[in-house]
Parts: sequence; structure tokens; C-alpha cells
Amino acid sequence: DTAVSQTPKYLVTQMGNDKSIKCEQNLGHDTMYWYKQDSKKFLKIMFSYNNKELIINETVPNRFSPKSPDKAHLNLHINSLELGDSAVYFCASSPLAAYTEAFFGQGTRLTVV
Amino acid sequence: EDQVTQSPEALRLQEGESSSLNCSYTVSGLRGLFWYRQDPGKGPEFLFTLYSAGEEKEKERLKATLTKKESFLHITAPKPEDSATYLCAVQAAETSGSRLTFGEGTQLTVNP
Repeated sequence: DTAVSQTPKYLVTQMGNDKSIKCEQNLGHDTMYWYKQDSKKFLKIMFSYNNKELIINETVPNRFSPKSPDKAHLNLHINSLELGDSAVYFCASSPLAAYTEAFFGQGTRLTVV
Repeated sequence: EDQVTQSPEALRLQEGESSSLNCSYTVSGLRGLFWYRQDPGKGPEFLFTLYSAGEEKEKERLKATLTKKESFLHITAPKPEDSATYLCAVQAAETSGSRLTFGEGTQLTVNP
């Protein structure tokens, strides 16, 4: 069983389109995240939700909107896609308590053309 | 602002040639330092967590150590299957949730 699963794995779309990436975790964790990995492999946090509540919101364009229908799901919706949005987006989860590692999904490679 | 710097950016080793990867960090109160391994096309995979200076953790050919300013990932007698990008991340005591601040990684290649 996959612990953190994202769909789709690859996403190619044109500039200006709106797209969504879905994430689900079956670990029973309370906290979920979206990270962005750029072409230099640098991972940076975008958002974090704890029990459906937004707790981390980094400086991300408001074209990016996370949605958490329940604590096992965290989706990422992106409006008006731009070339610079091309990257790999990772979903992750961790238990509520601190001092714990995060478990990552396999990533969604977004290419905007 | 929390910062993590990893060196070298890339490292090529021959099978059996031991070496170390470095992770220097600046954080306002360290809650934990994490090492991850990332294979091409996959998400980071957790390796170790270190919480306080002097702590060491081992797993197979890997050993992670921690001081107040840096962490080392020692690789003893590496094999080609150890080839991957190794990521270091810190969690600051004052951050909400379990936010990780990552370094840019060290890409390790082990030649047979």
C-alpha cells in the first residue's frame, strides 16, 4: 500500500490553463504539506495543513490554492499557469507531533508550455 | 531565517571508497536535523533524525553525526546502489507544524 500518493505523476499543460494535483495519505497523519522542487533539486515548502486547517502559507502566488477536504487529502489547485510554475511538486505528511520526519509522495512533474 | 548548506554539490566515488557529506545549518533553535535520500523520479525517503549535538545514528553503510553547527553523513565502503541525491533538512523549534528547511542536496555517484 502506498503511504502518500499523488496524481497525476506527469502533467503537461499550456500557459494560462488551470490544473489540480491530488494527494492522499493512508498513514493516519494529521499534518500534510506541499513542497516545490525546482530544476536545481531545491525543495521548498509551500503550504501545510493540520487537520484541515492551514498552518503554513509561504510566499506563494495566490494562483496556488490548497484545499483539504479531510485530514487524509490535500489537493493543490493552480490557476493561470505560467512557464515558471514548471517544477516537481511533492505532497508529504507527518504525525501531528513535532520531532518527526515527513513522508513524501512520488511527486508530480508539471511542465507548462 | 533558517539556512541549510550542503557540500559538495556532487561527489563521485569508486565502490568501496569511503567518504563524508557535509550539512551546515543556521537555525533559531534546532528541533531536529533530518537526512533523506532521493532517487531520480522519486520522492525523498527518510533516513535519519538527529536531535542534539553528539548524537549519532547508523543504518547499514551510512552513519549520521551532529554538532551544533553541522551534520555529516559518512558512507563506508559504498556500493553502486548507494548512488542518489542526499538531502539534509532542519526543523526549527519555533516553527509551527513540522516544516522542514532543506539544503540543495549532494548528488552521490558510486562507480563499480
